[in-house]
Amino acid sequence: NAGVMQNPRHLVRRRGQEARLRCSPMKGHSHVYWYRQLPEEGLKFMVYLQKENIIDESGMPKERFSAEFPKEGPSILRIQQVVRGDSAAYFCASSPLGGAGYTFGSGTRLTVV
Amino acid sequence: KNEVEQSPQNLTAQEGEFITINCSYSVGISALHWLQQHPGGGIVSLFMLSSGKKKHGRLIATINIQEKHSSLHITASHPRDSAVYICAVSQNTGNQFYFGTGTSLTVIP
Repeated sequence: NAGVMQNPRHLVRRRGQEARLRCSPMKGHSHVYWYRQLPEEGLKFMVYLQKENIIDESGMPKERFSAEFPKEGPSILRIQQVVRGDSAAYFCASSPLGGAGYTFGSGTRLTVV
Repeated sequence: KNEVEQSPQNLTAQEGEFITINCSYSVGISALHWLQQHPGGGIVSLFMLSSGKKKHGRLIATINIQEKHSSLHITASHPRDSAVYICAVSQNTGNQFYFGTGTSLTVIP
């Protein structure tokens, strides 16, 4: 069981480009959560998804950010037209129904230059 | 005011010392988690608690639901314990976690 896999580990984008962050949950986990950790700040919730459904996106910025968790394949966090303020570590976590066994991925560190 | 408060923010200890990190929360929770993050590294879940006490090796976590308080203890601390320790709570309602800002621990040989 490989755990929660995030890729890429590091991503560099120029201002205005798009960033795509991928998260493959643990086998058997049907719930995915995305969190952002800004430099010198704590983790903040962004979005909670189940397969083909966004359950709670109350932490997502209103513009440029979107997330999906398709029936097949990884969950994707997409940031359009990136700006320097998007530079952060983005963590994904997954859990089965009920929440026990909540597991974090190693994160993707996005740098916008 | 944050839903989760941790103290201290920074902690330096000599190798072998007993360490305590505290966490207080203000919301109703279904569980409390202690997480460990090494510099530039991923996040590892150390404990998930809903009551009482758990022990894993040199790590002990306790929670007092009535007082809305949890502690993480490290016995016989070692330099490899140097990391940021984060307290997080999952609510009774809703789907998200609330995180403390973390305690940065440095253990000096």
